[in-house]
Amino acid sequence: GAVVSQHPSRVICKSGTSVKIECRSLDFQATTMFWYRQFPKQSLMLMATSNEGSKATYEQGVEKDKFLINHASLTLSTLTVTSAHPEDSSFYICSASLRIRNSNQPQHFGDGTRLSIL
Amino acid sequence: AQSVTQLDSHVSVSEGTPVLLRCNYSSSYSPSLFWYVQHPNKGLQLLLKYTSAATLVKGINGFEAEFKKSETSFHLTKPSAHMSDAAEYFCVVSEGGGGGSQGNLIFGKGTKLSVKP
Repeated sequence: GAVVSQHPSRVICKSGTSVKIECRSLDFQATTMFWYRQFPKQSLMLMATSNEGSKATYEQGVEKDKFLINHASLTLSTLTVTSAHPEDSSFYICSASLRIRNSNQPQHFGDGTRLSIL
Repeated sequence: AQSVTQLDSHVSVSEGTPVLLRCNYSSSYSPSLFWYVQHPNKGLQLLLKYTSAATLVKGINGFEAEFKKSETSFHLTKPSAHMSDAAEYFCVVSEGGGGGSQGNLIFGKGTKLSVKP
């Protein structure tokens, strides 16, 4: 089946550090990648949608200058949390899907990244 | 606007007994509906999906769900729980419509399933 690899799985760093999270589709070309944030014991909240070669579309309330998303190729998208602060600590999950004839195929999820800002 | 409500935040069953996780949805269109499972510190795994074909959908690991339009429900069931089923389960509706297409996903708040030995 389709495999999405997310790296790193866990990050612990000091406040003010910028952190980059990678999301790779290993065995298919992902025309669309999604970034979600999950707070403890809560559901996933969509942060942004990125299409290969174009700017990401951010959900309302998500700071695009804070959460930089790059989808430079059909197999890789990155999320950079710039100048991270403790309130950015969360579980970040990416997913990837392939768009065929204006139809988005089911999303395949990475294993997530636990970000802890001290 | 589409929404999904998972009626129980926590369900506890004994191993070998049936599992029922309830989900109701609201949709203006013919929805696509999904159940995902999340184990601790892991991403989501698709259990099954409804895409306007058969109303009774069979998924992986013995799970199945029935789409009931009259009740706007899509409850997840399994005849006999296994210890490895303990996880968080999310009911999800897609804005993309039917036919297997997935638009943006709208997640329920999740149901934590505990399985007692």
